[in-house]
Amino acid sequence: GQNIDQPTEMTATEGAIVQINCTYQTSGFNGLFWYQQHAGEAPTFLSYNVLDGLEEKGRFSSFLSRSKGYSYLLLKELQMKDSASYLCAVRENTNAGKSTFGDGTTLTVKP
Amino acid sequence: SQTIHQWPATLVQPVGSPLSLECTVEGTSNPNLYWYRQAAGRGLQLLFYSVGIGQISSEVPQNLSASRPQDRQFILSSKKLLLSDSGFYLCAWGGDFSNYGYTFGSGTRLTVV
Repeated sequence: GQNIDQPTEMTATEGAIVQINCTYQTSGFNGLFWYQQHAGEAPTFLSYNVLDGLEEKGRFSSFLSRSKGYSYLLLKELQMKDSASYLCAVRENTNAGKSTFGDGTTLTVKP
Repeated sequence: SQTIHQWPATLVQPVGSPLSLECTVEGTSNPNLYWYRQAAGRGLQLLFYSVGIGQISSEVPQNLSASRPQDRQFILSSKKLLLSDSGFYLCAWGGDFSNYGYTFGSGTRLTVV
């Protein structure tokens, strides 16, 4: 099975940088995903890591260390619209491709 | 492009009533399909997944069932709802070895009263 931990809440200031950490324990790993979820809406895909290292997509970057069971999502130049919940998810290495989700980190961006 | 439709968006049902939530996918064939539930302030809990027509796997024992009568249709049902069935239900497509994660339906907010 999978066990995923991430902080419950974070607060940051508009224009700043914030790092959201995620640690996981898994019996079979086939990728780590970050999703963004605004209140009352479905999650949307942000980033994917399967190999160690940093993946950059505009203002968002995600890092993975498989040996440490650790990932982070880095958000730069924060905007008010970045206030949302950020979900870390680990996909298992089976045909079913199931993902286990953390409880999410609620990020509040303040002016 | 692939799209996923889920309905209804909101549902208020009395305890003991039946439930049927439907999800359909367009633009792909033989997709892996998933039903997740999200309690308030929590992450997503996998309820059921399906890798093909008539193939249903349940993740946790519960008061719900799922069916996949057609390749692109996934249905979540209950014969008698419980208060604990309240939550945000999400259908998702994906889960193969792609780099793009899940595509979610818009979700159903179910309140059992």
